[in-house]
Amino acid sequence: DGGITQSPKYLFRKEGQNVTLSCEQNLNHDAMYWYRQDPGQGLRLIYYSQIVNDFQKGDIAEGYSVSREKKESFPLTVTSAQKNPTAFYLCASSIQSRTSRLDNEQFFGPGTRLTVL
Amino acid sequence: AQSVTQLGSHVSVSEGALVLLRCNYSSSVPPYLFWYVQYPNQGLQLLLKYTSAATLVKGINGFEAEFKKSETSFHLTKPSAHMSDAAEYFCAVSDRGNQFYFGTGTSLTVIP
Repeated sequence: DGGITQSPKYLFRKEGQNVTLSCEQNLNHDAMYWYRQDPGQGLRLIYYSQIVNDFQKGDIAEGYSVSREKKESFPLTVTSAQKNPTAFYLCASSIQSRTSRLDNEQFFGPGTRLTVL
Repeated sequence: AQSVTQLGSHVSVSEGALVLLRCNYSSSVPPYLFWYVQYPNQGLQLLLKYTSAATLVKGINGFEAEFKKSETSFHLTKPSAHMSDAAEYFCAVSDRGNQFYFGTGTSLTVIP
């Protein structure tokens, strides 16, 4: 079955440590996204990538970094510079079609809940 | 610029009653509109999407939404609520660049 996987489901980190969240998709989608979800704030875009080896900052990129070396993978690193990293992190992907309005929805992974101790 | 406003962060309905979740959007181009549902500690699942083929869009689990350009609205409805509908619902608007702009969500509680 095609889909998006995120690992781990739950992650605990000590203050001052960097941690990397995994996101893999086998949908052959060009675009991938990382969102942060906090209670009452909806989804906020951290980074997105429309093509391999290219990515752009979203609304809250400070303290985060990403890479896109393969089409299938878009890992997110939460660095020690992120002042309040405890949150639910969601990865998504989409086809990135500019010609078809029917295929532009985003597909989401199950999420990773990060807690800083 | 695109944005979405969801009126009511919490909505409670009785089992069997009408569900109405409100969404208003702002878009400088013809919008793509979506409703997603999220169950606790899970990702978002697409309920339905507006693609301009029809203003009344039917989705999964008996939900539907109507695109009203004059009101810049895309409200989500379901005639009869089930206990299993209790979840968080997100409205989203997308531009042609595939960036999504999400509302802050509406938490639906279904009272038995």
